[in-house]
Amino acid sequence: LAKTTQPISMDSYEGQEVNITCSHNNIATNDYITWYQQFPSQGPRFIIQGYKTKVTNEVASLFIPADRKSSTLSLPRVSLSDTAVYYCLVGPGNTGKLIFGQGTTLQVKP
Amino acid sequence: GAGVSQTPSNKVTEKGKYVELRCDPISGHTALYWYRQSLGQGPEFLIYFQGTGAADDSGLPNDRFFAVRPEGSVSTLKIQRTERGDSAVYLCASSPYVTGGTEAFFGQGTRLTVV
Repeated sequence: LAKTTQPISMDSYEGQEVNITCSHNNIATNDYITWYQQFPSQGPRFIIQGYKTKVTNEVASLFIPADRKSSTLSLPRVSLSDTAVYYCLVGPGNTGKLIFGQGTTLQVKP
Repeated sequence: GAGVSQTPSNKVTEKGKYVELRCDPISGHTALYWYRQSLGQGPEFLIYFQGTGAADDSGLPNDRFFAVRPEGSVSTLKIQRTERGDSAVYLCASSPYVTGGTEAFFGQGTRLTVV
């Protein structure tokens, strides 16, 4: 399964757009890119998933370049409640095996 | 219930004792996963079930850990001869299918403390 690299931590302010980039140089042809969010004392929560180009939902956007060796999670106009750990996962959906890295701790300040 | 339910939410046990952790997945979800999370770390994969069978148990750390899902719904993670190093939050997740993209729904976890 492809290894991912993402920043350990990021700071932002309320109302700003936050972009978290994840590197996955060894991504395989049948791998999907998935992002999860985790608050303290809770299980991770699915945010968004994509295979290529751009995906957008009501929470975030996911940008994937043509070579798929990286991806960027974009959170528009963050609020204090977006303070959490964000995980980038890469893997084939048909294994069911989600491998989490250390994640990016996002701190949103007032 | 609407989500994945894990019981108990907290468990304190003495070193050497046996514990069982229960997971009730979302109804109809065929895939079920167990993870272990230590403070400051991402969830560590333990095992996943597709239906009743363990499709991948490569994350179980040793033979003290065992998990079952006899009827393809509820799952139990069993830990024998607990050690202090087993202390962690044990997370369960389920998903409706295991093809294409995988959106897993996680429970709140069971916090296990071995004293």
